[in-house]
Amino acid sequence: QQKVQQSPESLIVPEGAMTSLNCTFSDSASQYFAWYRQHSGKAPKALMSIFSNGEKEEGRFTIHLNKASLHFSLHIRDSQPSDSALYLCAVIRESSSFSKLVFGQGTSLSVVP
Amino acid sequence: GGIITQTPKFLIGQEGQKLTLKCQQNFNHDTMYWYRQDSGKGLRLIYYSITENDLQKGDLSEGYDASREKKSSFSLTVTSAQKNEMAVFLCASSIWGEQYFGPGTRLTVL
Repeated sequence: QQKVQQSPESLIVPEGAMTSLNCTFSDSASQYFAWYRQHSGKAPKALMSIFSNGEKEEGRFTIHLNKASLHFSLHIRDSQPSDSALYLCAVIRESSSFSKLVFGQGTSLSVVP
Repeated sequence: GGIITQTPKFLIGQEGQKLTLKCQQNFNHDTMYWYRQDSGKGLRLIYYSITENDLQKGDLSEGYDASREKKSSFSLTVTSAQKNEMAVFLCASSIWGEQYFGPGTRLTVL
């Protein structure tokens, strides 16, 4: 059964800093890797996703995937107080018509001015 | 764009009570999900449904029932509420890949 682990559990960074969040998974056949962000009291919302090894950048956010090491990460450049949220990584194994995501336990990020 | 609505927003129950949570989506997605989230933690899958009248158990299905009578709606029943239980129940729908979440139902059991 797929296991998805996140680190660290919580993180406090100063405004303007680079933030790095990590996620490891157990199933090497996994095919889809995503980060979701959940602001306090709100619904989780997909932030970024990646299918193949390498990196993908969207604005201040970059996702790295290394399937061989069963690891992917999210990097936030110039972190802002509005980035403060719970970040959830998620992985899909099956290439089928539905997506059964397995979520990590979350990293709580606080960006302080 | 579409939207997912969950009712009620807040649910207060008594120990042993049977409680029903409802979810509606207008994305026309085939697959729908129910997750439980405890106190700012990760999401645990309770039930999912690939199509109308289909039900699949997740990792946390014990103590819950689900119903998918229409493509657009998915209900979850807590069969016997546990004393001091507090959690947020999130409904989601998807086409392959990204899942779209509702705002959640916050359950408190007295």
